[in-house]
Amino acid sequence: DAGITQSPRHKVTETGTPVTLRCHQTENHRYMYWYRQDPGHGLRLIHYSYGVKDTDKGEVSDGYSVSRSKTEDFLLTLESATSSQTSVYFCAIKRQEGADRQYFGPGTRLTVL
Amino acid sequence: DQQVKQNSPSLSVQEGRISILNCDYTNSMFDYFLWYKKYPAEGPTFLISISSIKDKNEDGRFTVFLNKSAKHLSLHIVPSQPGDSAVYFCAARASYNQGGKLIFGQGTELSVKP
Repeated sequence: DAGITQSPRHKVTETGTPVTLRCHQTENHRYMYWYRQDPGHGLRLIHYSYGVKDTDKGEVSDGYSVSRSKTEDFLLTLESATSSQTSVYFCAIKRQEGADRQYFGPGTRLTVL
Repeated sequence: DQQVKQNSPSLSVQEGRISILNCDYTNSMFDYFLWYKKYPAEGPTFLISISSIKDKNEDGRFTVFLNKSAKHLSLHIVPSQPGDSAVYFCAARASYNQGGKLIFGQGTELSVKP
């Protein structure tokens, strides 16, 4: 158990609506990541954070924004959801500086109609 | 441009036999490789890793082999068990990478039949 929770676990929304997914960690780790998982693509990095208010883009960041105002929370926002953003979203943390192993949350299944 | 590729979407193996999952990469700057296992409706969990300075790492029934000249790694599971049925992802990190970013392959779904 990596001490990571994601909310909501499931969400159905309509095209054009804003959506915010939350990742919460209990262990005060510096690095947090948001991925999406899609068939045929594996896991792709959307955004990551290396500290409070410090974030950077991943390989599929278009249409997504993130915020990290507290160490324990990393929010992913879809400003105007599209059907192409239907996916399973995973949050991950890295426990140690210099380590490469990431620990994943349980995921959020998002459906955009 | 897929830098990490798992060309077999699925693999079926008999219980007790060896499972071999393959992964190819294109970036010669990758210096650390990981395998993750994922069950349905759960997040991926770390399985085993290998540094580019090694060619083999073993952990119980799981062994990862790295062939740098071929830019190829493989995960061997011996003996395979029905509980090993899951999707397996390989991942890689580049030495110049900031933030510990990982690049994942597409995944291979392993089915171990009793």
